[in-house]
Amino acid sequence: EPEVTQTPSHQVTQMGQEVILRCVPISNHLYFYWYRQILGQKVEFLVSFYNNEISEKSEIFDDQFSVERPDGSNFTLKIRSTKLEDSAMYFCASGNSDTQYFGPGTRLTVL
Amino acid sequence: AQSVSQHNHHVILSEAASLELGCNYSYGGTVNLFWYVQYPGQHLQLLLKYFSGDPLVKGIKGFEAEFIKSKFSFNLRKPSVQWSDTAEYFCAVGSGGSNYKLTFGKGTLLTVNP
Repeated sequence: EPEVTQTPSHQVTQMGQEVILRCVPISNHLYFYWYRQILGQKVEFLVSFYNNEISEKSEIFDDQFSVERPDGSNFTLKIRSTKLEDSAMYFCASGNSDTQYFGPGTRLTVL
Repeated sequence: AQSVSQHNHHVILSEAASLELGCNYSYGGTVNLFWYVQYPGQHLQLLLKYFSGDPLVKGIKGFEAEFIKSKFSFNLRKPSVQWSDTAEYFCAVGSGGSNYKLTFGKGTLLTVNP
């Protein structure tokens, strides 16, 4: 059964550094998403992406964040200048109609 | 704005006990409802979903959920839990259509003792 994959599984970075989190969605899916979960808190929506553009973004998704689908298979989330409060688990999801399928997540630790 | 409440933070049961996890949501329009499960060390997996029709939906591994519109609830049930059901369970609401954000509850950690 096809799955969403994410790399790396764990990323440690210094405050102020740029990070890129990578996702490979399920191959025939058209809708892509990023969510995050800060430890002990809810899974929160960050952004949705369709037809090579952002469909919707949350207030969390400020100018420090960007998403890209650089080729036919990858979907990336970039944080330009990380802050301590960006430490969280980041989940990628993809879907084709009304159901989203999640990847295993990338744990981002900002020191 | 959508919101989801899961009232049970941690539920501890013995094997063969019955399970019911509460989920209430608030949203003014048509909703799609989901339960996801996260087993230890694994990713979020879809357990079941409700879009329309029969309000009692059956999912994988013997789980079911009932949508009660008047109560804005979508409680998850299983008649007899197993040790392997130990996991975190998340209720989520989507606003419908083919491209929408999910709003999650805080999750309920279920521990099943053998």
